[in-house]
Amino acid sequence: AQSVTQPDIHITVSEGASLELRCNYSYGATPYLFWYVQSPGQGLQLLLKYFSGDTLVQGIKGFEAEFKRSQSSFNLRKPSVHWSDAAEYFCAVGAGAAGNKLTFGGGTRVLVKP
Amino acid sequence: KAGVTQTPRYLIKTRGQQVTLSCSPISGHRSVSWYQQTPGQGLQFLFEYFSETQRNKGNFPGRFSGRQFSNSRSEMNVSTLELGDSALYLCASSPGQGVKIGDGYTFGSGTRLTVV
Repeated sequence: AQSVTQPDIHITVSEGASLELRCNYSYGATPYLFWYVQSPGQGLQLLLKYFSGDTLVQGIKGFEAEFKRSQSSFNLRKPSVHWSDAAEYFCAVGAGAAGNKLTFGGGTRVLVKP
Repeated sequence: KAGVTQTPRYLIKTRGQQVTLSCSPISGHRSVSWYQQTPGQGLQFLFEYFSETQRNKGNFPGRFSGRQFSNSRSEMNVSTLELGDSALYLCASSPGQGVKIGDGYTFGSGTRLTVV
């Protein structure tokens, strides 16, 4: 069975500083990996996704993520955080051929200090 | 292009009642998936419908059910509500099914259900 772990429940970062959110997955085949962001009371917005190919993936809002098969990780990064990046971030793995099903990590809440 | 529409946005029900939530997918999307989000359990997959057929089901009791209509709109129903069913229920629509999930997989803003 697939699973996703986000080790950090909360992260506080200063505006303008860099951000890295960790994600580890467990999946038997080649994973389809995703990062979503959720603002309070809202649905999930896709930041980026990895299916295959280049292991460094660029997304929206200046985010990028790197797939490392050897470490079963898909960490999200942003070089310079803006106050509007305060939100909850979810890493997810997709079941691919098994249908439209995502397994999510527990989420990391990001607080941005001025 | 209109996004995924979930109605109602907020709902308060009494324990033991039943509730029906609605999800209208993006025009042309044929797959609708449902998720439950709670502080304790996080985001959990409920089920997926494609072409009016349930294609995947998560690990939830039979009190949780759903259906999809010919226009791809979907409803989920929860019977005999329990306090633990209080959650944000999200639906996501997608053009197709399987393989490259994520292409056009779009979430609605959710229905916040409170059971008292």
